[in-house]
Amino acid sequence: DGGITQSPKYLFRKEGQNVTLSCEQNLNHDAMYWYRQDPGQGLRLIYYSQIVNDFQKGDIAEGYSVSREKKESFPLTVTSAQKNPTAFYLCASRSRDRGRDTYEQYFGPGTRLTVT
Amino acid sequence: GDSVTQMEGPVTLSEEAFLTINCTYTATGYPSLFWYVQYPGEGLQLLLKATKADDKGSNKGFEATYRKETTSFHLEKGSVQVSDSAVYFCALSNNDMRFGAGTRLTVKP
Repeated sequence: DGGITQSPKYLFRKEGQNVTLSCEQNLNHDAMYWYRQDPGQGLRLIYYSQIVNDFQKGDIAEGYSVSREKKESFPLTVTSAQKNPTAFYLCASRSRDRGRDTYEQYFGPGTRLTVT
Repeated sequence: GDSVTQMEGPVTLSEEAFLTINCTYTATGYPSLFWYVQYPGEGLQLLLKATKADDKGSNKGFEATYRKETTSFHLEKGSVQVSDSAVYFCALSNNDMRFGAGTRLTVKP
């Protein structure tokens, strides 16, 4: 089945450590996205990538980094510079070909990161 | 820029009640419109969509009609169930994707 996988589902880290969240998709989508969601809140865009080897900052990129070396993969690193890293992180992807589908984003199941 | 405004929650209903969650948008051109649902601890799932004016998206008893004249895409369901308890997000897709803030729905038996 095609879809997006995020691993792990739950992640615990000590303050001051960098941590990398995995996101893999087999939908053959060009564009991928990372969002952060805090309790009771909406989605905030961290980074996005429209094509391999290229990515742009979203609204809250400070303290985060990404890479896009392969079309299928878009890992997110939460660095020690991120002041409040505890949150639910969602990865999404979509086709860039508007003629092929209705251009919606498909989401992974999320990773809940807790930093203490 | 493009934006989505949806009804603030939380919304609490009794089982079998009628549901409306309002959503309005601001956008240039002709965006596609979506409703997503998020169950606790999970990612967002696409609930329904509409790509042009007067289109009606429907799924699992939920419906929404793309109203260009009122720039709206309100979500409705005639009889909600406890299992519909979730957070609902309205979204539009133009060059970029924009999400509303989400509306939490709780359905009580």
